[in-house]
Amino acid sequence: DAGITQSPRHKVTETGTPVTLRCHQTENHRYMYWYRQDPGHGLRLIHYSYGVKDTDKGEVSDGYSVSRSKTEDFLLTLESATSSQTSVYFCAISDRGRGGGYTFGSGTRLTVV
Amino acid sequence: DQQVKQNSPSLSVQEGRISILNCDYTNSMFDYFLWYKKYPAEGPTFLISISSIKDKNEDGRFTVFLNKSAKHLSLHIVPSQPGDSAVYFCAASGGNQAGTALIFGKGTTLSVSS
Repeated sequence: DAGITQSPRHKVTETGTPVTLRCHQTENHRYMYWYRQDPGHGLRLIHYSYGVKDTDKGEVSDGYSVSRSKTEDFLLTLESATSSQTSVYFCAISDRGRGGGYTFGSGTRLTVV
Repeated sequence: DQQVKQNSPSLSVQEGRISILNCDYTNSMFDYFLWYKKYPAEGPTFLISISSIKDKNEDGRFTVFLNKSAKHLSLHIVPSQPGDSAVYFCAASGGNQAGTALIFGKGTTLSVSS
């Protein structure tokens, strides 16, 4: 799907457990983003990366951390999952940084019980 | 505070008619605007964009209009088709928010009936 894959596609986890979602790209794009989509909230930015080891917080970063040790992989970690983190998570990539069209992955549906 | 607002959660249109989706923004530093379309269980896909130096951009059945003085943009789909039924997100970038990231509205669900 345009060189971006997310894994897993679905996950159910228990409250308090750590969870890591993976975004992998084959486009060699510099910029990568994690968004969450919730009913009534649209897409909200969690964290983003503008290069290897260069990351920054977005609008809803509390409870999340990210790492980017290679250009192609951007990991999102929920340190201790809570029910409020039940959501659909989308990764996006871009080579133009400022504005420009993003390419989104197919999403990861995470349920925290 | 929402910087990008889509005040209509849903819109229903008959096939062949025009669909008009609206978006308002508050940050005058935004200089690039985009529309994304999302089907269930899929990621959003880029539809059309417009730079702040323009007031109109057209691509086939899709036209985006930008009114900077009103901080308003709209997406026109003519003619609407049942396959256009999806959630449409307005997005903006520029200014001093989260670096280069896009800021999205909450989305409008378009239903086109045949």
